[in-house]
Amino acid sequence: AQSVTQLDSHVSVSEGTPVLLRCNYSSSYSPSLFWYVQHPNKGLQLLLKYTSAATLVKGINGFEAEFKKSETSFHLTKPSAHMSDAAEYFCVVSPSTGGGNKLTFGTGTQLKVEL
Amino acid sequence: DTGVSQDPRHKITKRGQNVTFRCDPISEHNRLYWYRQTLGQGPEFLTYFQNEAQLEKSRLLSDRFSAERPKGSFSTLEIQRTEQGDSAMYLCASSPGQGAFGANVLTFGAGSRLTVL
Repeated sequence: AQSVTQLDSHVSVSEGTPVLLRCNYSSSYSPSLFWYVQHPNKGLQLLLKYTSAATLVKGINGFEAEFKKSETSFHLTKPSAHMSDAAEYFCVVSPSTGGGNKLTFGTGTQLKVEL
Repeated sequence: DTGVSQDPRHKITKRGQNVTFRCDPISEHNRLYWYRQTLGQGPEFLTYFQNEAQLEKSRLLSDRFSAERPKGSFSTLEIQRTEQGDSAMYLCASSPGQGAFGANVLTFGAGSRLTVL
């Protein structure tokens, strides 16, 4: 079984300040982990993925995430928030092998960026 | 290639009516997935196809739901005798097959929003 817990349903930051969106995962095997972003009226877009290579993963738009097995965490960070980052972010887990790439999504974190 | 296309984008229907959604995946992707997203929740897996074969169905997919992918290209998701609880965003995604480059990365469409009155 696999699951993810997004620890904050809402995060609010000021433009230009760092972003931290927290995610803990549970998996009975070595998982693949992803962050997706969903802007209003748009499809889910992949930000980055971890698939057992480097533990620090860089994604699009300046986002990165670090896989910490000891803490079962995969937190998403960005050094400086931009207004266009306001969206809903989903932490996602998938089996590394088999399972048909069936993704299990967290409940999402709504990021608000204020001037 | 224009990505994953879904049609219609919005559907309003009365309880008890049947509705059908269509998904056109990325043409070279042989896997196709359906997910459902309700307000305030993350998407939940419904079913997936490899080519025309439906390989897995979630327990969420009651017998009022049926999905097909007859020629291994586009897919349809039909909901019969709709209920108010079916109101949700229905998301389609596609990916390359197992072993292919990028096999574990899903590309999602914009979704079809269903409102059942």
